[in-house]
Amino acid sequence: GAVVSQHPSRVICKSGTSVKIECRSLDFQATTMFWYRQFPKQSLMLMATSNEGSKATYEQGVEKDKFLINHASLTLSTLTVTSAHPEDSSFYICSARDRGQGTDTQYFGPGTRLTVL
Amino acid sequence: TQLLEQSPQFLSIQEGENLTVYCNSSSVFSSLQWYRQEPGEGPVLLVTVVTGGEVKKLKRLTFQFGDARKDSSLHITAAQPGDTGLYLCAGVVPSGAGGTSYGKLTFGQGTILTVHP
Repeated sequence: GAVVSQHPSRVICKSGTSVKIECRSLDFQATTMFWYRQFPKQSLMLMATSNEGSKATYEQGVEKDKFLINHASLTLSTLTVTSAHPEDSSFYICSARDRGQGTDTQYFGPGTRLTVL
Repeated sequence: TQLLEQSPQFLSIQEGENLTVYCNSSSVFSSLQWYRQEPGEGPVLLVTVVTGGEVKKLKRLTFQFGDARKDSSLHITAAQPGDTGLYLCAGVVPSGAGGTSYGKLTFGQGTILTVHP
């Protein structure tokens, strides 16, 4: 149980285009999902907290107009990187909290490698 | 902002040796989680510790949560090459007034462990 999927696993795009990444909780309902960014050999950096049916809460320094988050259902959150540039190239990881467990345990997706040319 | 200092950042040892990774903070966490991550994949949850002073064992891995719930350690006995990876500790931020933290995780910097055959 507690499986989180991400799609796509890898994406290469041209500078200026937008890219959408999906995060799904496959066998549980997630009222809260989180989006992280990770650079090589570094820890995870929280970008935003996504709550079903409400606006996302962004961490300081993260541009909400550039990284659009939508949490339309209890099993799906999407991150759209708008007008991507090479500096946006990174490993993006989502996680989800299982509302049924009543704990703060987060389950992570396998990540999406974004390369902007 | 709650910070979690993880050390060491890099650890290179021979198969069969023991090692300990530390996570320290001046702040109290509701719980603390340890993850292991391999390149190109998402973090995989190893354990969650909740109670001050708690000790949990997972085969050759021993996890301890400090009495004051401000620090934690991961001890690996007789390390094997398969233990190689990035180890991350993450503390759960207690919900603030109005419950706005949504169980956010504060990550340590990570420890890159390499176990040589």
